[in-house]
Parts: sequence; C-alpha cells; structure tokens
Amino acid sequence: DAGVIQSPRHEVTEMGQEVTLRCKPISGHNSLFWYRQTMMRGLELLIYFNNNVPIDDSGMPEDRFSAKMPNASFSTLKIQPSEPRDSAVYFCASSLGGIYYEQYFGPGTRLTVT
Amino acid sequence: AQKVTQAQTEISVVEKEDVTLDCVYETRDTTYYLFWYKQPPSGELVFLIRRNSFDEQNEISGRYSWNFQKSTSSFNFTITASQVVDSAVYFCALSESGNQFYFGTGTSLTVIP
Repeated sequence: DAGVIQSPRHEVTEMGQEVTLRCKPISGHNSLFWYRQTMMRGLELLIYFNNNVPIDDSGMPEDRFSAKMPNASFSTLKIQPSEPRDSAVYFCASSLGGIYYEQYFGPGTRLTVT
Repeated sequence: AQKVTQAQTEISVVEKEDVTLDCVYETRDTTYYLFWYKQPPSGELVFLIRRNSFDEQNEISGRYSWNFQKSTSSFNFTITASQVVDSAVYFCALSESGNQFYFGTGTSLTVIP
C-alpha cells in the first residue's frame, strides 16, 4: 500500500515567492497533519484536519501560512510570501482517527528560501 | 514548561550494548496517549509504539521494550543488543485532550560498530 505522498521533495525559492506543498494521505485515514522541523525549534505541529475540517491551526506561524484540504485525498500548505526563516523540512502525516492514533509520515519536503 | 522532556540530547553506545532513552511527560489529563517515533538518517519519521494512559503494562517487541510508569510520568525506551541500524533520532510524543499533541526534542542515538 502506498504511504503518505508529498511533493515536491525539494523546493528552492526566492524570498517573496509563493510556495505550495502538497500531500496525499494514506487511503482510509481521516486525519491529516502538517509539521515543520528545524534544528532550532524541532518538530512543530502546524495544523491538523479531521474529515477535511481544520481542527487546530494554533501552530501556524502567521498569516503567511495557509492550509487546505479540499477532499479526503489531498491537502496543500501554502506560504505566501516566503521568507528565509521558513526554510525547514515540512512533513505531512495521516492517521486513522486524530491525535490519539499513530501517525504515518511522508518523506518530507525540504524547503530552502534564499 | 516542556510537556515532553527528553533530557538526553545525544547518546553513543558500542554495538551490542543495551541503551535506554528517557522520556518524561507532563499532563493533568487522566486520558492521554504516549508515542515513540524513530527518525533514521534518511529523514522519514517511523512510528514505533502507542500507549494509552490506562495501560501500564510494559511492552516488548523484539529488541525494543518500553517501560511506562505513571507514578514518575515516564515512558522510557530500551534497545537491547543495539545494532548500527538503530542509529537514529528518537522522539517521544504526547497527545492529550483539547486536541493537543507534543513532540519531545529527540534523542540522537549513535551505535558504534
């Protein structure tokens, strides 16, 4: 079975540009999570969805970040405009039922903003 | 205050040694869940175990074992007879009511051949 799929795997962009990260969760999972990992801040939960509805977005750093889940098999995380401090690895994960269940992670997107 | 504390930032052991990774958590909830994840050098996070707050039985899976003690708010992870392939960063995590989820800062384990 396919795991969580993320694209692109690497993204290099210039400051001020819009960046869109994509995620396809495991089929049948009804929860989806977006994380950011940096050396300074570790793993941070940005937002998570249950049944395509955002449940908790308190981790979203600021208004430049937005996430959508238009259907059960697709989600996007958008940064606009991007800044160098957004450089990080962004992970998407999915689970069967919210934060109480084990999460399965995608390979991550390494974002570099110059 | 940290909700999940992994005080050991880095650990190095020689192959075949046993090693214990510590995890201390903080919560006021009676229902909560604890997790361990592994992040090998390839970067992808891998789920290892999930434990709910009502189940304090220790768990063993091959060379891996977990010791959950509510009295000390700890959920420690032991690798027996470590191998080079165990080299990774290991994260402990807590989920509690109110849709709260927290990762610890991770322990980087290096197994020296």
